[in-house]
Amino acid sequence: EDQVTQSPEALRLQEGESSSLNCSYTVSGLRGLFWYRQDPGKGPEFLFTLYSAGEEKEKERLKATLTKKESFLHITAPKPEDSATYLCAVQAAGSSNTGKLIFGQGTTLQVKP
Amino acid sequence: ETGVTQTPRHLVMGMTNKKSLKCEQHLGHNAMYWYKQSAKKPLELMFVYNFKEQTENNSVPSRFSPECPNSSHLFLHLHTLQPEDSALYLCASSQKGASGGTQYFGPGTRLTVL
Repeated sequence: EDQVTQSPEALRLQEGESSSLNCSYTVSGLRGLFWYRQDPGKGPEFLFTLYSAGEEKEKERLKATLTKKESFLHITAPKPEDSATYLCAVQAAGSSNTGKLIFGQGTTLQVKP
Repeated sequence: ETGVTQTPRHLVMGMTNKKSLKCEQHLGHNAMYWYKQSAKKPLELMFVYNFKEQTENNSVPSRFSPECPNSSHLFLHLHTLQPEDSALYLCASSQKGASGGTQYFGPGTRLTVL
């Protein structure tokens, strides 16, 4: 069964304190892995798509990496405005016709000034 | 309007009411999705439409009835809902057929069933 697990469930950082969020997955052939950011009461905002092991993508203070079993979202010198819930999702090769995404439960990040 | 829009943003309804949620995408995509987000649970896919054809129904109860009249509009018709159906309902769109096509989400409709 395709599955996505994110850890930790919640993370508190001081401003400037770098850390990483983990997304572990088991899927029957990875079509793509997606990272989203979600603020309270809003829809998920797209951050990155990763397609193959070894791939990396960066955007401002965020960097996403991918291996055959997991993905990391590295946050360098975070600011309070980075506080949000970060969601990881995978698309399995068998679901490419429907585009079905399987989501993890998310990591809620709080960055204190 | 840009991106994916949803109306209404908030909805309170009784168990015997009938209401509809509306979604519109301005991205030129041809696939649209409904998701349910309940507290402390991962996003759950409900329905998928590609080129107006339903391609996925994730065992959703019949009290939820989707409609996709064209590639830009998606509706979710609601009737005789239960209190456990209270959740954030999210619409998304993407390009069909693109390898790992990225889904873009709307702001959601916060539904409360009394």
